[in-house]
Amino acid sequence: QSVLTQPPSVSGAPGQRVTISCTGSSSNIGIGYYVHWYQQLPGTAPKLLIYADNNRPSGVPDRFSGSRSGTSASLAITGLQAEDEADYYCQSYDTSLSGSVFGGGTKLTVL
Amino acid sequence: EVQLVESGGGLVQPGGSLRLSCAASGFAFSSYWMHWVRQVPGKGLVWVSRINSDGSSTTSADSVKGRYTTSRDNAKNTLYLQMNSLRAEDTAVYYCTRDMRATLGYDAFDMWGRGTMVTVSS
Repeated sequence: QSVLTQPPSVSGAPGQRVTISCTGSSSNIGIGYYVHWYQQLPGTAPKLLIYADNNRPSGVPDRFSGSRSGTSASLAITGLQAEDEADYYCQSYDTSLSGSVFGGGTKLTVL
Repeated sequence: EVQLVESGGGLVQPGGSLRLSCAASGFAFSSYWMHWVRQVPGKGLVWVSRINSDGSSTTSADSVKGRYTTSRDNAKNTLYLQMNSLRAEDTAVYYCTRDMRATLGYDAFDMWGRGTMVTVSS
């Protein structure tokens, strides 16, 4: 299993708000390492969505936001749109493993 | 155009070797740390390795340590992944990614290639 834990799936209707959690431990998120989020549309490479907990790269809509507290982080998507249907991954650094780690991924379904 | 293009994937027998390349263009390659990330089709992302900007330091995941070697040629703007003693469980799409710490100081991956498929099977 992955070092960072995400729910396998979430869903929401168009226009709604959904959140995706990412739970780590004292060797990664809990010790203060930043969390980054990626969106992977079907059949494509991942794309950086949020970096350093709550920052959006240029071009990412402000419907996407991130937060971090304790050993967990969250990605929130408001005003859900059909085009948001994708897999979402969190990523951080783990000091015990001396490398980057990803969550197992969460499949977002727009109903 | 700013891009990363992987190549070198294919079918290889268990125990065999393969070298992946990642050609970078449109940015100052020699300034950036680079990583390899793999993904079994239908499964999640797994970090494989990273190399610092001048190639003097590398780190790998335990699952590939001693079998995979990451290197780069900054004169050719190219990242490499030498994979030896390949196993069936190494079958995956391999992505090269750019680490954004050179620009904003964070270890997020802000650019990805399209990936190259490696299949280990007899």
